[in-house]
Amino acid sequence: EVQLVESGGGLVQPGGSLRLSCAASGFTFSDHSMDWVRQAPGKGLEWVGRNRNKANSYTTEYAASVKGRFTISRDDSKNSLYLQMNSLKTEDTAVYYCTRGSLSSGWRSFDYWGQGTLATVSS
Amino acid sequence: DIQLTQSPSFLSASVGDRVTITCRASQGMSSYLAWYQQKPGKAPKLLIYAASTLQSGVPSRFSGSGSGTEFTLTISSLQPEDFATYYCQQLNSYPITFGQGTRLEIK
Repeated sequence: EVQLVESGGGLVQPGGSLRLSCAASGFTFSDHSMDWVRQAPGKGLEWVGRNRNKANSYTTEYAASVKGRFTISRDDSKNSLYLQMNSLKTEDTAVYYCTRGSLSSGWRSFDYWGQGTLATVSS
Repeated sequence: DIQLTQSPSFLSASVGDRVTITCRASQGMSSYLAWYQQKPGKAPKLLIYAASTLQSGVPSRFSGSGSGTEFTLTISSLQPEDFATYYCQQLNSYPITFGQGTRLEIK
Protein backbone atom coordinates (compact mmCIF):
# COMPACT_ATOMS: atom_id res chain seq x y z
CA GLU A 1 0.00 0.00 0.00
CA VAL A 2 1.36 3.38 -1.01
CA GLN A 3 1.76 5.74 1.94
CA LEU A 4 3.07 9.27 2.21
CA VAL A 5 3.45 10.65 5.73
CA GLU A 6 4.43 14.28 6.27
CA SER A 7 5.96 15.67 9.44
CA GLY A 8 7.77 18.75 10.68
CA GLY A 9 4.99 21.31 10.65
CA GLY A 10 4.50 23.75 13.49
CA LEU A 11 4.52 27.38 14.54
CA VAL A 12 7.38 29.61 13.42
CA GLN A 13 7.92 33.36 13.47
CA PRO A 14 8.14 35.43 10.29
CA GLY A 15 11.65 35.25 8.89
CA GLY A 16 12.22 31.85 10.45
CA SER A 17 12.82 28.43 8.95
CA LEU A 18 11.09 25.08 8.96
CA ARG A 19 11.95 21.73 7.41
CA LEU A 20 9.16 19.41 6.37
CA SER A 21 9.70 15.72 5.73
CA CYS A 22 7.70 13.15 3.79
CA ALA A 23 8.27 9.45 4.46
CA ALA A 24 7.24 7.27 1.54
CA SER A 25 6.47 3.57 1.53
CA GLY A 26 4.78 0.92 -0.58
CA PHE A 27 6.43 1.83 -3.87
CA THR A 28 9.85 2.33 -5.45
CA PHE A 29 10.46 5.89 -4.32
CA SER A 30 13.48 6.44 -6.55
CA ASP A 31 11.38 5.89 -9.68
CA HIS A 32 9.00 8.78 -9.07
CA SER A 33 9.01 12.53 -9.30
CA MET A 34 7.60 14.07 -6.13
CA ASP A 35 5.86 17.38 -5.56
CA TRP A 36 4.77 19.59 -2.69
CA VAL A 37 1.36 21.27 -2.80
CA ARG A 38 0.02 23.64 -0.15
CA GLN A 39 -3.37 24.90 0.90
CA ALA A 40 -3.84 28.02 3.00
CA PRO A 41 -6.70 27.83 5.53
CA GLY A 42 -10.02 27.97 3.69
CA LYS A 43 -8.32 28.47 0.32
CA GLY A 44 -7.54 26.46 -2.80
CA LEU A 45 -4.58 24.35 -3.80
CA GLU A 46 -1.22 25.87 -4.73
CA TRP A 47 1.65 23.93 -6.26
CA VAL A 48 4.94 24.61 -4.44
CA GLY A 49 7.50 22.64 -6.40
CA ARG A 50 8.81 19.38 -7.87
CA ASN A 51 11.80 17.13 -7.39
CA ARG A 52 12.38 14.82 -10.31
CA ASN A 53 13.72 11.29 -9.99
CA LYS A 54 17.29 10.08 -10.34
CA ALA A 55 16.77 9.31 -14.03
CA ASN A 56 16.06 13.01 -14.47
CA SER A 57 19.03 14.06 -12.34
CA TYR A 58 16.92 15.10 -9.34
CA THR A 59 16.26 18.46 -10.99
CA THR A 60 13.76 20.79 -9.37
CA GLU A 61 11.07 23.30 -10.29
CA TYR A 62 9.49 25.91 -8.02
CA ALA A 63 6.56 28.25 -7.93
CA ALA A 64 7.56 31.89 -8.21
CA SER A 65 6.13 32.61 -4.76
CA VAL A 66 8.69 30.33 -3.08
CA LYS A 67 11.66 30.35 -5.47
CA GLY A 68 14.86 31.35 -3.69
CA ARG A 69 13.35 30.67 -0.25
CA PHE A 70 12.28 27.02 -0.43
CA THR A 71 14.39 24.01 -1.41
CA ILE A 72 13.09 20.55 -2.25
CA SER A 73 15.43 17.60 -1.82
CA ARG A 74 15.19 13.86 -1.43
CA ASP A 75 17.10 10.92 0.00
CA ASP A 76 16.26 7.79 -1.98
CA SER A 77 18.12 5.62 0.55
CA LYS A 78 15.62 6.75 3.20
CA ASN A 79 12.59 6.95 0.87
CA SER A 80 12.15 10.52 1.99
CA LEU A 81 11.32 13.89 0.47
CA TYR A 82 12.10 17.19 2.16
CA LEU A 83 10.98 20.81 1.94
CA GLN A 84 13.35 23.32 3.50
CA MET A 85 11.50 26.59 4.01
CA ASN A 86 13.52 29.73 4.82
CA SER A 87 12.62 33.40 5.19
CA LEU A 88 9.08 32.40 5.98
CA LYS A 89 6.23 34.87 5.56
CA THR A 90 2.79 34.92 7.11
CA GLU A 91 1.35 34.05 3.68
CA ASP A 92 3.24 30.74 3.76
CA THR A 93 0.83 29.52 6.46
CA ALA A 94 -0.80 26.43 4.98
CA VAL A 95 -1.24 22.71 5.10
CA TYR A 96 1.61 21.23 3.06
CA TYR A 97 0.96 18.05 1.13
CA CYS A 98 3.56 15.65 -0.22
CA THR A 99 2.40 14.13 -3.50
CA ARG A 100 3.61 11.42 -5.87
CA GLY A 101 3.92 11.98 -9.58
CA SER A 102 1.98 9.36 -11.47
CA LEU A 103 4.17 7.11 -13.59
CA SER A 104 1.24 6.00 -15.73
CA SER A 105 0.51 9.58 -16.72
CA GLY A 106 4.14 10.48 -17.36
CA TRP A 107 4.26 12.59 -14.19
CA ARG A 108 1.30 14.59 -15.48
CA SER A 109 -0.87 14.06 -12.39
CA PHE A 110 -0.46 13.38 -8.67
CA ASP A 111 -1.85 9.96 -7.83
CA TYR A 112 -1.10 9.77 -4.11
CA TRP A 113 -1.18 12.47 -1.45
CA GLY A 114 -0.10 12.52 2.16
CA GLN A 115 -2.42 13.65 4.95
CA GLY A 116 -0.68 17.03 5.12
CA THR A 117 1.21 18.92 7.81
CA LEU A 118 0.29 22.41 8.99
CA ALA A 119 2.92 25.13 8.99
CA THR A 120 1.88 28.33 10.75
CA VAL A 121 3.92 31.50 10.35
CA SER A 122 2.95 34.03 12.98
CA SER A 123 4.47 36.31 15.57
CA ASP B 1 1.75 31.10 -16.58
CA ILE B 2 -1.41 29.21 -17.52
CA GLN B 3 -4.36 30.37 -15.43
CA LEU B 4 -7.30 28.05 -14.93
CA THR B 5 -10.79 29.38 -14.27
CA GLN B 6 -13.44 26.98 -13.07
CA SER B 7 -17.17 27.55 -13.45
CA PRO B 8 -19.29 27.57 -11.53
CA SER B 9 -17.46 28.25 -8.26
CA PHE B 10 -20.43 26.91 -6.34
CA LEU B 11 -22.99 24.35 -7.41
CA SER B 12 -26.05 23.08 -5.59
CA ALA B 13 -27.49 19.80 -6.88
CA SER B 14 -29.50 16.76 -5.84
CA VAL B 15 -28.66 13.09 -5.64
CA GLY B 16 -29.17 11.58 -9.09
CA ASP B 17 -28.49 14.82 -10.96
CA ARG B 18 -26.03 15.09 -13.83
CA VAL B 19 -23.55 17.89 -13.26
CA THR B 20 -20.80 19.45 -15.34
CA ILE B 21 -17.90 21.58 -14.16
CA THR B 22 -15.91 23.59 -16.68
CA CYS B 23 -12.24 24.52 -16.51
CA ARG B 24 -10.98 27.17 -18.92
CA ALA B 25 -7.29 27.74 -19.54
CA SER B 26 -5.87 31.18 -20.28
CA GLN B 27 -4.02 29.76 -23.28
CA GLY B 28 -4.24 26.68 -25.42
CA MET B 29 -2.59 23.63 -23.98
CA SER B 30 -2.10 19.94 -24.54
CA SER B 31 -4.41 17.60 -22.69
CA TYR B 32 -2.23 17.49 -19.57
CA LEU B 33 -5.17 18.32 -17.38
CA ALA B 34 -6.21 16.51 -14.21
CA TRP B 35 -9.23 16.66 -11.92
CA TYR B 36 -9.23 16.14 -8.15
CA GLN B 37 -11.91 15.73 -5.51
CA GLN B 38 -11.36 17.06 -2.00
CA LYS B 39 -13.54 16.50 1.02
CA PRO B 40 -13.29 18.69 4.15
CA GLY B 41 -10.20 17.94 6.23
CA LYS B 42 -8.91 15.41 3.70
CA ALA B 43 -6.23 15.36 1.02
CA PRO B 44 -7.31 15.68 -2.60
CA LYS B 45 -7.96 12.52 -4.59
CA LEU B 46 -7.09 12.09 -8.26
CA LEU B 47 -10.14 11.40 -10.45
CA ILE B 48 -9.09 12.05 -14.04
CA TYR B 49 -5.78 12.62 -15.82
CA ALA B 50 -4.85 13.44 -19.39
CA ALA B 51 -8.19 15.25 -19.59
CA SER B 52 -10.26 12.08 -20.01
CA THR B 53 -8.50 9.06 -18.50
CA LEU B 54 -10.23 7.71 -15.42
CA GLN B 55 -7.87 6.96 -12.54
CA SER B 56 -7.96 3.36 -11.37
CA GLY B 57 -10.65 2.74 -8.77
CA VAL B 58 -12.67 5.87 -9.59
CA PRO B 59 -16.36 5.18 -10.37
CA SER B 60 -17.36 5.33 -14.01
CA ARG B 61 -19.98 8.01 -13.32
CA PHE B 62 -17.04 10.44 -13.44
CA SER B 63 -15.82 11.45 -16.89
CA GLY B 64 -13.63 14.14 -18.37
CA SER B 65 -13.38 15.71 -21.77
CA GLY B 66 -12.03 18.71 -23.61
CA SER B 67 -9.01 20.09 -25.36
CA GLY B 68 -7.27 23.35 -26.10
CA THR B 69 -8.64 25.86 -23.61
CA GLU B 70 -11.86 24.23 -22.40
CA PHE B 71 -12.17 21.09 -20.32
CA THR B 72 -15.07 19.56 -18.44
CA LEU B 73 -15.68 17.15 -15.59
CA THR B 74 -19.06 15.42 -15.64
CA ILE B 75 -20.69 13.36 -12.93
CA SER B 76 -23.47 11.41 -14.60
CA SER B 77 -25.60 10.65 -11.53
CA LEU B 78 -24.63 12.30 -8.27
CA GLN B 79 -24.19 10.10 -5.25
CA PRO B 80 -24.17 11.33 -1.62
CA GLU B 81 -20.40 10.78 -1.38
CA ASP B 82 -19.76 13.08 -4.37
CA PHE B 83 -20.54 16.27 -2.50
CA ALA B 84 -17.10 17.85 -2.20
CA THR B 85 -14.86 20.46 -3.79
CA TYR B 86 -13.38 19.76 -7.23
CA TYR B 87 -10.19 21.20 -8.68
CA CYS B 88 -8.70 21.11 -12.15
CA GLN B 89 -4.93 21.19 -12.58
CA GLN B 90 -2.73 21.80 -15.59
CA LEU B 91 0.62 20.06 -15.99
CA ASN B 92 1.26 21.34 -19.50
CA SER B 93 3.93 23.81 -18.40
CA TYR B 94 5.56 25.21 -15.30
CA PRO B 95 4.41 26.52 -12.98
CA ILE B 96 1.82 23.80 -12.47
CA THR B 97 -1.43 25.55 -11.61
CA PHE B 98 -4.84 24.69 -10.17
CA GLY B 99 -8.25 26.15 -10.76
CA GLN B 100 -9.86 27.99 -7.86
CA GLY B 101 -12.18 25.08 -7.08
CA THR B 102 -15.87 24.25 -7.46
CA ARG B 103 -17.80 23.50 -4.31
CA LEU B 104 -20.59 21.00 -4.92
CA GLU B 105 -23.27 20.97 -2.25
CA ILE B 106 -26.49 19.10 -1.68
CA LYS B 107 -29.64 20.97 -2.68
